[in-house]
Amino acid sequence: DVVMTQTPVSLSLAIGQPASISCKSSQSLLGTSGKTFLNWILQRPGQSPKRLIYQVSKLYSEVPDRFSGSGSETEFTLKISRVEAEDLGVYYCWQGTHFPLTFGSGTKLEIK
Amino acid sequence: EVQLVESGGGLVQPGRSLKLSCAASGFTFSNYYMAWVRQAPTKGLEWVASITNSGGSTYYRDSVKGRFTISRDNAKSTLYLQMDSLRSEDTATYYCTPPFGGAYWGQGTLVTVSS
Repeated sequence: DVVMTQTPVSLSLAIGQPASISCKSSQSLLGTSGKTFLNWILQRPGQSPKRLIYQVSKLYSEVPDRFSGSGSETEFTLKISRVEAEDLGVYYCWQGTHFPLTFGSGTKLEIK
Repeated sequence: EVQLVESGGGLVQPGRSLKLSCAASGFTFSNYYMAWVRQAPTKGLEWVASITNSGGSTYYRDSVKGRFTISRDNAKSTLYLQMDSLRSEDTATYYCTPPFGGAYWGQGTLVTVSS
């Protein structure tokens, strides 16, 4: 199985500060289709996960543009340009290129 | 508006069975590959099983193979997970999602396996 490694485990940031979360995969996530199925989701406290980004850098329509994703092959990054209060929760990367789907262990974002 | 509503969870004894349902609306269910993902209390997310849009192919994680069965009824826009021979380690909140079709998530349904 593809192992997804996220760092840091947790972040404590003040509102307005930038955030950066790394996700590394044990194998290249570039598929035979030429697409890279690396995605990000956010789970706020007590809630179910919510979609954020798909195929490395494409934001879902409802996601604010302060979020961005980048990377290729085995190294990926989620960035928040200016953290807001509603951004607190656990961020997970997950891959869908290789069977089975696998998830990172999560990065907890706390607001100072 | 897309909705995924999971149901069927509850408290069950080890070795017993439970069937989960996921009612989908707001998108063309029959077009999408669907998956069940679970989350044990205070833990991360874990893929459980997947099914192609037609239902013709199914996939399972090793720890549930032979015990769980994923299925779907496209006419009812509903996904199912039949869970047999339940173990304590199956205790989790179970979510359904179309991972490559919008990646929506429902609210989940909690399954607790305990005597």
